[in-house]
Amino acid sequence: EVQLVESGGGLVQPGGSLRLSCVHSGLSSSSYWMSWVRQAPGKGLEWVAIIKQDGSDIHYAASVKGRFTISRDNAKNSVYLQMSSLRVEDTAVYFCAGGDGWTSSDWGQGTLVTVSS
Amino acid sequence: EIVLTQSPGTLSLSPGERATLSCRASQNVENNYLAWYQKKPGQPPRLLIDDAFRRAIGIPDRFSGSGSGTDFTLSITRLEPEDFAVYYCQQCATSPLTFGGGTRVEIK
Repeated sequence: EVQLVESGGGLVQPGGSLRLSCVHSGLSSSSYWMSWVRQAPGKGLEWVAIIKQDGSDIHYAASVKGRFTISRDNAKNSVYLQMSSLRVEDTAVYFCAGGDGWTSSDWGQGTLVTVSS
Repeated sequence: EIVLTQSPGTLSLSPGERATLSCRASQNVENNYLAWYQKKPGQPPRLLIDDAFRRAIGIPDRFSGSGSGTDFTLSITRLEPEDFAVYYCQQCATSPLTFGGGTRVEIK
């Protein structure tokens, strides 16, 4: 069974930075892509970024490109989301997700990021 | 960017009834890489359908997906109490990946 556990959320001021982590276990596929997806309070789901198993292919949503960086450390079974120049509108629950290909079959419980002064 | 439009915004139905949810794409979704998720408050999304019609592991057969190209449908036959939730479609064919705005299925 695949398990994903996020951490690193919290309160940060506008313009600040935060790094989210996601530790995964139980993966059996060698082609497992990892994503970050967020949901702002009272809003729908928004895809943020995705990274290939070996880190060789990365894509971002336009709303975060240039401010967020997704990375992974396979030796630590971890995926990260480095968030910089944070805005109030980045406030959301951030989910780590993964699957074979770009569809996310496995999800963490999420971590809350609040950007406020 | 592929824009996904879901309709209706809210569906009010009774347990045992059938739900039909629509997801329309602004351009062709290559290889029909279209997924459906169920979302309940305080829980992560749950994958129901991928590749437009393939049920994910452990998903009951009352959930079915259909469609191709730009028009896709999620059907739920005989709604169970645990099926009342918000449903999202996502296209996984072209970057940036995008979600629809969601359809809320509520108890009538």
